[in-house]
Amino acid sequence: DAGITQSPRHKVTETGTPVTLRCHQTENHRYMYWYRQDPGHGLRLIHYSYGVKDTDKGEVSDGYSVSRSKTEDFLLTLESATSSQTSVYFCAISRDSYEQYFGPGTRLTVT
Amino acid sequence: ILNVEQSPQSLHVQEGDSTNFTCSFPSSNFYALHWYRWETAKSPEALFVMTLNGDEKKKGRISATLNTKEGYSYLYIKGSQPEDSATYLCASGSNYKLTFGKGTLLTVNP
Repeated sequence: DAGITQSPRHKVTETGTPVTLRCHQTENHRYMYWYRQDPGHGLRLIHYSYGVKDTDKGEVSDGYSVSRSKTEDFLLTLESATSSQTSVYFCAISRDSYEQYFGPGTRLTVT
Repeated sequence: ILNVEQSPQSLHVQEGDSTNFTCSFPSSNFYALHWYRWETAKSPEALFVMTLNGDEKKKGRISATLNTKEGYSYLYIKGSQPEDSATYLCASGSNYKLTFGKGTLLTVNP
């Protein structure tokens, strides 16, 4: 298994609070991604990173920000969580254009 | 944003049946087509990445073909087993920015 961990694995938070999810890799892969998975929508790209301090928006980036200060860590922040951000969040990594390896997921509930 | 479509949405087969599903994607500016297998309560797992028109890939009883000119890929499973039950996702896009289809949920009954 690719060395990807996500923390926390489960979180319940209240509307309006900030939340940060962490993705950590031990593979030294250049690319890292954050997706959300919702019924009826499949996997949708939130943000991705193509190197340290290099990030860009995905399909559903509104309400989310990311940071990558070192190769192994990619942080996803919800500045002010809303109920519509209740979802399962997956981090993924890839060497380049090859297959992506997914982390175990974080289940976030915003009440 | 690409429009990646998968059909059927779900499929029930008997153990031993062979089956196939379809992924369609825009053929213009094609870069790569990915297939992933996603078991319930687990993470998506890469099956194949294909880039060339006419590409065929195989892994055990699972194989895939690619037609970039008409914008489709087929995934085949020969002699389905209950452990093949999963959602099969395809994705297409630029080299690192993928758009996923909604998946085909396969259930193999013993």
